[in-house]
Amino acid sequence: DQQVKQNSPSLSVQEGRISILNCDYTNSMFDYFLWYKKYPAEGPTFLISISSIKDKNEDGRFTVFLNKSAKHLSLHIVPSQPGDSAVYFCAASVKNYGQNFVFGPGTRLSVLP
Amino acid sequence: DGGITQSPKYLFRKEGQNVTLSCEQNLNHDAMYWYRQDPGQGLRLIYYSQIVNDFQKGDIAEGYSVSREKKESFPLTVTSAQKNPTAFYLCASETRNTEAFFGQGTRLTVV
Repeated sequence: DQQVKQNSPSLSVQEGRISILNCDYTNSMFDYFLWYKKYPAEGPTFLISISSIKDKNEDGRFTVFLNKSAKHLSLHIVPSQPGDSAVYFCAASVKNYGQNFVFGPGTRLSVLP
Repeated sequence: DGGITQSPKYLFRKEGQNVTLSCEQNLNHDAMYWYRQDPGQGLRLIYYSQIVNDFQKGDIAEGYSVSREKKESFPLTVTSAQKNPTAFYLCASETRNTEAFFGQGTRLTVV
């Protein structure tokens, strides 16, 4: 039973447009959420995080939105660039309880020039 | 430069052999993790360690073993009991109130 779900295995977006990657979770104890970006044969790199006390966090072209009542978060990339093409993982944890991250299965984003 | 280092990048193993993957970090992080990634799947947790000399099984620990004798090091041994060891292995470390930092991964292939 997956606690963190990313229901879209892949997404294609035109360069310059907005990319929206979605993530749903089932464990209401999760209070810290992160997005990672991963290129083939490399380790994931941290992109952006959000604590459950917030509903939005922005960092440059990346914005994460959290809807606690729906147990849903999304990553918006605006504008999308070809270099953003990668697999994006959503991760969740209970921040003050061992911080054992649970990862979603990932969404492969392709940004088309 | 602080970071987390995995070695080797590529590893080939004959069936029936044990192999050990190295993971070292100089970030002074308390917790370290091993994940496995298979094509089309997310990251699955193998083992994790919150402090030295203590470690816990993750979701897919069967066929693997770890040790945590030093804070900086968390080696993973893939034993012959692991039936499908070919995968991409990722090590991560973190401390409270930070995101996890990942190594560059080791691709293990059974030949």
